[in-house]
Amino acid sequence: AQSVSQHNHHVILSEAASLELGCNYSYGGTVNLFWYVQYPGQHLQLLLKYFSGDPLVKGIKGFEAEFIKSKFSFNLRKPSVQWSDTAEYFCAVTLPYSSASKIIFGSGTRLSIRP
Amino acid sequence: DVKVTQSSRYLVKRTGEKVFLECVQDMDHENMFWYRQDPGLGLRLIYFSYDVKMKEKGDIPEGYSVSREKKERFSLILESASTNQTSMYLCASVGDRGTSYEQYFGPGTRLTVT
Repeated sequence: AQSVSQHNHHVILSEAASLELGCNYSYGGTVNLFWYVQYPGQHLQLLLKYFSGDPLVKGIKGFEAEFIKSKFSFNLRKPSVQWSDTAEYFCAVTLPYSSASKIIFGSGTRLSIRP
Repeated sequence: DVKVTQSSRYLVKRTGEKVFLECVQDMDHENMFWYRQDPGLGLRLIYFSYDVKMKEKGDIPEGYSVSREKKERFSLILESASTNQTSMYLCASVGDRGTSYEQYFGPGTRLTVT
């Protein structure tokens, strides 16, 4: 079965540290890739997405992600984190096979930033 | 802006009660989804609907049913609530296949079953 793996369940960083959150998926065909973020007490919202073209995708708030097809990966990065980046981050994949746009989510990574 | 609203932010119900969770979207989206979110498990798809009166089971449909009588409204029903259904429930909608597939989420309903 198709799946999305986020191996880091909880990451703790100090402000200004660099961030990389891993995401791997298990599907050999064409995929659309997403990172969503959920700030404490808020809705899930889209951080960035990849459909085609340049594999390095820029998102909101200084985040970026790189699609590496050979590694089935879509890791999220940020060069210098802020306390306000404390949130839960979800990687997601859509598979273009069903009549609905079904998204498969990873289990999430909780990011805690020490001020 | 797409708006997805859910009828309640917090709900407390007793074991065995019938529970209705309502979700409404205002962007004429065809596809709507119900997820539950539990710590360490991410979002798990319960049911989705790609058209009025159409529904498909997701990964964890047991103990749940859904209703889509109107395009903008997608209801999740717990026929007989149990304590293991205590969770955060998220509704989402997304447009047609020709669009970006971005899912827009509601604020969530935190359901506690006692």
